[in-house]
Amino acid sequence: AQTVTQSQPEMSVQEAETVTLSCTYDTSESDYYLFWYKQPPSRQMILVIRQEAYKQQNATENRFSVNFQKAAKSFSLKISDSQLGDAAMYFCAYLYNNNDMRFGAGTRLTVKP
Amino acid sequence: DSGVTQTPKHLITATGQRVTLRCSPRSGDLSVYWYQQSLDQGLQFLIQYYNGEERAKGNILERFSAQQFPDLHSELNLSSLELGDSALYFCASSVAGLGVYEQYFGPGTRLTVT
Repeated sequence: AQTVTQSQPEMSVQEAETVTLSCTYDTSESDYYLFWYKQPPSRQMILVIRQEAYKQQNATENRFSVNFQKAAKSFSLKISDSQLGDAAMYFCAYLYNNNDMRFGAGTRLTVKP
Repeated sequence: DSGVTQTPKHLITATGQRVTLRCSPRSGDLSVYWYQQSLDQGLQFLIQYYNGEERAKGNILERFSAQQFPDLHSELNLSSLELGDSALYFCASSVAGLGVYEQYFGPGTRLTVT
């Protein structure tokens, strides 16, 4: 069974600094997708970034980038130039065959001014 | 705004009752997914519909059922409610049932069972 583990329940970062959130997953599949979702206090789930497992190049979306290590089954999220609006719960998610997306337990990110 | 709408935003009901949650997917999306987010279970996939047909089932209880209508909106029916069913229920939609496409989430319905 596919499982997703986020080992950091809480993280904090100073405004304008860089922070990395960790995620590992377990799967026997070779073709799958990984996502990072952000859940601010409004509780809305917002897609931050996605990574296709068949792509070697790490995905980047503005200040957000991932470090995808397929052999190690690791998928970390780096947030550069952190802003107060980045404060939220961040969920790592695994998706195979377009159904049954598995989420990690989440990491609560605090941004200090 | 993801384009996915859910009603109602909040729902308070008593144990043993039945409720219906409604979801309208983004324009053009054929797949609808339902998720439950609770404090003890985290985010869990419940069920997926694609173009009116059930495509995949996750950790959905037998007391829960869903359907997707010809206009592609979906309803999640929760019956014989228990205190433990209190949670945030999300609907998400994506373009298609095959392949992999990112899912866009609605704002959620917060269900409180008293």
